[in-house]
Formats: sequence, C-alpha cells, structure tokens
Amino acid sequence: DAGVIQSPRHEVTEMGQEVTLRCKPISGHNSLFWYRQTMMRGLELLIYFNNNVPIDDSGMPEDRFSAKMPNASFSTLKIQPSEPRDSAVYFCASSPHTGNEQYFGPGTRLTVT
Amino acid sequence: GEDVEQSLFLSVREGDSSVINCTYTDSSSTYLYWYKQEPGAGLQLLTYIFSNMDMKQDQRLTVLLNKKDKHLSLRIADTQTGDSAIYFCAERSGSARQLTFGSGTQLTVLP
Repeated sequence: DAGVIQSPRHEVTEMGQEVTLRCKPISGHNSLFWYRQTMMRGLELLIYFNNNVPIDDSGMPEDRFSAKMPNASFSTLKIQPSEPRDSAVYFCASSPHTGNEQYFGPGTRLTVT
Repeated sequence: GEDVEQSLFLSVREGDSSVINCTYTDSSSTYLYWYKQEPGAGLQLLTYIFSNMDMKQDQRLTVLLNKKDKHLSLRIADTQTGDSAIYFCAERSGSARQLTFGSGTQLTVLP
C-alpha cells in the first residue's frame, strides 16, 4: 500500500504567486482532510471531504484558499495569491468509511518569500 | 469548542519508561489518538482508543484513558533513542470525522 501521496514535498515561491498542492488518498478511502502545521498554531484542519464533497471548510483561512476533489483519488489545495504568512507544512490525510483511523501523507513544506 | 492540551517537553533515559499526558475538554469525544512525528516527516498513527475503554496495550505502548477526568496517557516501555519524536494526542467528537490535535510533546531520549 503506497499510503497517502502528496506533491510537491517542498515548494518555494514568491509572494503573490499561485500555489497548488496535490494529494492522492489511500485507495478505497472516502474521507480526505487537509491540515496545516505551523509552530505558532500547531495542526489545524483546513477542510475535509467525504465522498468527494466538501463537508467542513470552516478552517480555510480566507478566500485566497480553495480546495477541490474532482474524484476519489485526487485533491488539490490552491492558494492564490500566496503570502509569506502561508508558509507552513500542509498535510493531507485520508480515512476509510468504516474505519476510525486517519492516515497522513508526508506533507508539503511551503515557503513563501 | 474542543481543546486538547499536552505538555511541550519530556526527557527520559534510554531504557526507562516514558509517560506522555494529554487532557481534553470535549465530553462527547468518541475516539482518542496518539500520533508520532519524526523530524521532517508526516504523522504516523501509533494507536487509538475508543472512549468506552480504559486501557489498550500494543507491544511497548500502553494507552490509559480516564474518561471522568478527561485524561489520556501514552506509556512507552523500554524507551529507545528511536522513540525521540513529537507525540500528538488527538480527539474525535461524536460522529465527526475530523480530529482536533494537541500541541504535541517533544520526547527526547537521552543515552
């Protein structure tokens, strides 16, 4: 089992640029979560999907952030325009329908200069 | 809202037992989790416990839950240098799918 796959692993971009983070959940999992980790705020849930439908996006910081899940095997988190305060590690996690476990990907370390 | 608290740091000697503590406020928590994060890596699920259980053991790991006091602990027996990492406690409320995480405890194992 490949686990949750995220790309890129590292992203360095300039303020104002668009950033797209990608996630492939574990096959057969029907829930997908996007988290952000920073030193100041720890791990925060941004949004989660159930069966490709966004269920709770109350953690999305502002309109510059958007997330999509066009199919069961792919999700994107987009930041447009990016700002230095968006610098963080962004994790994707997935969970099976009948299970209680939530499995995390390796994360994308985003640096906005 | 939900709140999960952990102490920030713990140091132990190699071979000793480590006990990492966590408190939570949500009385409707259904599952409680322990994750391990090594430097530069994602979160690895170690174990989780259902809220109607008091204890769960898995090899060197023992989870104790005191539901009355909303206190969760993770005991690592015979702690090794490879156990050095940040350990996160997390809870899941009711039928919700998302987790609420604590701030993490940095475990340092001294030789």
